[in-house]
Amino acid sequence: DIQLTQSPSFLSASVGDRVTITCRASQGISSYLAWYQQKPGKAPKLLIYAASTLQSGVPSRFSGSGSGTEFTLTISSLQPEDFATYYCQQLNSYPPPLTFGGGTKVEIK
Amino acid sequence: QLQLQESGPGLVKPSETLSLTCTVSGGSISSSSYYWGWIRQPPGKGLEWIGSIYYSGSTYYNPSLKSRVTISVDTSKNQFSLKLSSVTAADTAVYYCARQQRFRGGPSWFDPWGQGTLVTVSS
Repeated sequence: DIQLTQSPSFLSASVGDRVTITCRASQGISSYLAWYQQKPGKAPKLLIYAASTLQSGVPSRFSGSGSGTEFTLTISSLQPEDFATYYCQQLNSYPPPLTFGGGTKVEIK
Repeated sequence: QLQLQESGPGLVKPSETLSLTCTVSGGSISSSSYYWGWIRQPPGKGLEWIGSIYYSGSTYYNPSLKSRVTISVDTSKNQFSLKLSSVTAADTAVYYCARQQRFRGGPSWFDPWGQGTLVTVSS
């Protein structure tokens, strides 16, 4: 299985801060990575796919980069609605499984 | 606008079979561009992919659950279903269904998701 390790697992930040979350894969996955945002009691929402492609309707303050084994999700200026948990997911379906990172919870400082 | 809705019992007894259905509205489950997947999330924990199905019936399963999982599709009803057998308390989770983009021939990212349904395994 391809393991995804997110760091940090928790971060405290203020509105307006630039925030970066890292996702490291246990083996190279090219650009086959997605990012999701999940708020309490809600389903995850797709933010980015193929490492850097912004999903339609997602604010441009979100961006993704990376390839191979190291990826980042950046929020350029944190907004109140961005406090949530973020997950990465690798997109190699063969061989299975599709896997998720352990999550990064972003809380208000 | 595509919507997905999970349905099924919220309480299942240990050793029995968990059965859920996902109804797709606002689009066809028979689209060649998409797979349809199940994901679960134990309370307070992270996300785990269970498996995915194509409208033709082709399936991908998580090897860790493969011996207990069956995913099927009913294109006439625009639904797909999950069966998980021999459940234990460890299977207690919110279960989500979602559409997956067909990518490099297989299932990939999930969008959109259903709202999720909590299934508790308890006697």
